[in-house]
Amino acid sequence: GIQVEQSPPDLILQEGANSTLRCNFSDSVNNLQWFHQNPWGQLINLFYIPSGTKQNGRLSATTVATERYSLLYISSSQTTDSGVYFCAVGGSAGGTSYGKLTFGQGTILTVHP
Amino acid sequence: NAGVTQTPKFQVLKTGQSMTLQCAQDMNHEYMSWYRQDPGMGLRLIHYSVGAGITDQGEVPNGYNVSRSTTEDFPLRLLSAAPSQTSVYFCASSYSIGPGQPQHFGDGTRLSIL
Repeated sequence: GIQVEQSPPDLILQEGANSTLRCNFSDSVNNLQWFHQNPWGQLINLFYIPSGTKQNGRLSATTVATERYSLLYISSSQTTDSGVYFCAVGGSAGGTSYGKLTFGQGTILTVHP
Repeated sequence: NAGVTQTPKFQVLKTGQSMTLQCAQDMNHEYMSWYRQDPGMGLRLIHYSVGAGITDQGEVPNGYNVSRSTTEDFPLRLLSAAPSQTSVYFCASSYSIGPGQPQHFGDGTRLSIL
């Protein structure tokens, strides 16, 4: 099956700093999503981005599908950004595989005040 | 609009017991799925459904059973609980399985098998 690798595994920042999280995947995909798991365990969908660039406030994401990677940018980080960021991909086999997400192991982000 | 609702939030079982984790969504989503999350790992797909009456296996289906009798509900059954099934279980839904459909997750059920 498809492999998803995220880097770095851990990231510690001071409030106000910028960061870039990376997601590499081993096959072409038609579905790529970024999630934030907050300290209470809730999973929040940040972006649906199988290709191109999207921005939402201080967060933005870029996926280069031909090179099989995606980047999540966090600018002016805040303590509330702490948690685990997951990249999940699907759709490499077409049909119902769109929804069958394969998750990376996540990047643990800690933002200190 | 409640979104995806999972019950219970916490559960402790003894080995060999059976139970059903409930998942309901009120967004008229066709696609629903169950994942498990183990410590330090990403989520792994257990079972999924593309509509009422249609279910299929994901990456780790053994020991679990599902059915989809209505669009709103997608329960996950543990047939005979084992300690290896101690995990956090998440239910997710999306409007359809096609492109452009983000998945929405419930808050999870934390399950411990003694």
